[in-house]
Amino acid sequence: RKEVEQDPGPFNVPEGATVAFNCTYSNSASQSFFWYRQDCRKEPKLLMSVYSSGNEDGRFTAQLNRASQYISLLIRDSKLSDSATYLCVAGSGTYKYIFGTGTRLKVLA
Amino acid sequence: GAVVSQHPSWVICKSGTSVKIECRSLDFQATTMFWYRQFPKQSLMLMATSNEGSKATYEQGVEKDKFLINHASLTLSTLTVTSAHPEDSSFYICSAGGLAETPLWDTQYFGPGTRLTVL
Repeated sequence: RKEVEQDPGPFNVPEGATVAFNCTYSNSASQSFFWYRQDCRKEPKLLMSVYSSGNEDGRFTAQLNRASQYISLLIRDSKLSDSATYLCVAGSGTYKYIFGTGTRLKVLA
Repeated sequence: GAVVSQHPSWVICKSGTSVKIECRSLDFQATTMFWYRQFPKQSLMLMATSNEGSKATYEQGVEKDKFLINHASLTLSTLTVTSAHPEDSSFYICSAGGLAETPLWDTQYFGPGTRLTVL
């Protein structure tokens, strides 16, 4: 079983739609969680950290459920520019990141 | 802030040669740098963690004699792929972190990556 699992997609959604991605992690010692966005043939860019209380940044909302070892990302009012691969990351001690395989999103006009 | 550069951005080399990739943190000091490898349609896999002035810690299955890492200063780490072979062709990405200051705390900032093709 992979340490961080994501549905690979692709998710094809129309502009304006709301889409949710899920991620599970197996290491209960994980302490920090992030969502990164990666465009084709580019490096990952930090989208947002994920806090226990849940957090929102504009159209993006992240949730963490430590009991279920589950992280989610909600994107509202999808834009064409949101098309990318979204990487879930669980970190444990000394910044060690474990990346999920990513979920591909394609927003259609 | 928190800009990381990598050089070169892409390289093509012959089998058996060595390739050096540089990773620099441009506007902050990175006590820790990380090297990842990403094959097509796969996720990033951590290869090694390097701390300034000490030996790198390699992940299981990564050959330390093949992937030489040097972290000589707080702003520069290098990865040398020695005796490269076609199966080493991949996207190599570095990241830097280690500042205990918001918003950099516990966050890694990634370089733009180096695409290596070994013929």
